[in-house]
Amino acid sequence: DIQLTQSPSFLSASVGDRVTITCRASQGISSYLAWYQQKPGKAPKLLIYAASTLQSGVPSRFSGSGSGTEFTLTISSLQPEDFATYYCQQLNSYPPTFGQGTRLEIK
Amino acid sequence: EVQLVESGGGLVQPGGSLRLSCAASGFTFSSYSMNWVRQAPGKGLEWVSYISSSSSTIYYADSVKGRFTISRDNAKNSLYLQMNSLRAEDTAVYYCARGHSVVRGVILAFDIWGQGTMVTVSS
Repeated sequence: DIQLTQSPSFLSASVGDRVTITCRASQGISSYLAWYQQKPGKAPKLLIYAASTLQSGVPSRFSGSGSGTEFTLTISSLQPEDFATYYCQQLNSYPPTFGQGTRLEIK
Repeated sequence: EVQLVESGGGLVQPGGSLRLSCAASGFTFSSYSMNWVRQAPGKGLEWVSYISSSSSTIYYADSVKGRFTISRDNAKNSLYLQMNSLRAEDTAVYYCARGHSVVRGVILAFDIWGQGTMVTVSS
């Protein structure tokens, strides 16, 4: 199975900050990577797919980049509603594994 | 409105069985692959199972293979997960999620998720 490692696991930031979360794959996955946002007690929400394509309706402050084994999710200017847990997911091969999550909290 | 609604969760004893359902609405269910994903309390996301739009292709996580069975009824716009021989480690919120593809047959993400149904395995 392909392992995904997110860093950091925990991030404390302020409204207006620019933040970057990294996701590293244990082997190359081309651009078959998605990013999700999850708030407590809620289902995950798709933010980005194919490494860099913004899902319809997602604010443009979210962006993704990378290919192969290293990927990043960037939030250009944090808003209060962005404080949540973020997961990456690879869909290059089954099983479609998830990273362990990055918890983004208000400083 | 595009929507997935899970049901069927509850408390079950170790070794018991449970059948989860996921009702789809607002889209052509028969055109999409579907998945089950679970999340243990306080833990991350774990993919459980996949079924193609026509049920011709099915995959399972190793952790549930031989115990869980995924199925769908396109006439009823419904997805199912039959869970047998349940263990304490199966305790989780179970989500159904729609496969998102731009190119036919290539799943790029899970774009629609249900609200989840809680399964607790305990004596």
